[in-house]
Amino acid sequence: QQQVKQSPQSLIVQKGGISIINCAYENTAFDYFPWYQQFPGKGPALLIAIRPDVSEKKEGRFTISFNKSAKQFSLHIMDSQPGDSATYFCAASMRPSQGNLIFGKGTKLSVKP
Amino acid sequence: EPEVTQTPSHQVTQMGQEVILRCVPISNHLYFYWYRQILGQKVEFLVSFYNNEISEKSEIFDDQFSVERPDGSNFTLKIRSTKLEDSAMYFCASSEARFSAGISYEQYFGPGTRLTVT
Repeated sequence: QQQVKQSPQSLIVQKGGISIINCAYENTAFDYFPWYQQFPGKGPALLIAIRPDVSEKKEGRFTISFNKSAKQFSLHIMDSQPGDSATYFCAASMRPSQGNLIFGKGTKLSVKP
Repeated sequence: EPEVTQTPSHQVTQMGQEVILRCVPISNHLYFYWYRQILGQKVEFLVSFYNNEISEKSEIFDDQFSVERPDGSNFTLKIRSTKLEDSAMYFCASSEARFSAGISYEQYFGPGTRLTVT
């Protein structure tokens, strides 16, 4: 129940295309869903996050779609660029947790020029 | 822009030795975390720390691990007797406030320390 399941494991997209990464969870107590971007040799960097009281959040080319009833959320990267090539992790956190994040297994995105 | 820093970037140690990983969280942050990432796997929570005590810890954080805030800026993770399976990237993170009352506060991660146990 504490797991966050992420798919696909890897993704290859052409430059300009849309990258879509999906996550699913079981625990309805999860109340905060961030996405992190990680480049090789670097720490995870927060990309965008959503609360379950909204169904979508957009920041620039990055959009989170959230489906509370299906217990799923996804990251969409519009107009994907080679510089977006990285590993993306979804995560979840729940109250009254201390804030520890439960991460998905990650998706390695490669954007081909 | 403020950032979390970690030292060393790479630590090689022999099995059974003690290691201390150091972190300097963002200066106005009050909550501190350690996570680890075994090569090619997901990031896993180890421990959270607030007001000079552990707030929460995972099953991974057994008696071999300890954390400390020895002064006003550093936050350390100590592994008393390292095992081969402790080889991983260790990330420190900090947040301004704790996730509570419907308010989420972002966790900012450091660049990590790669620990290699031989």
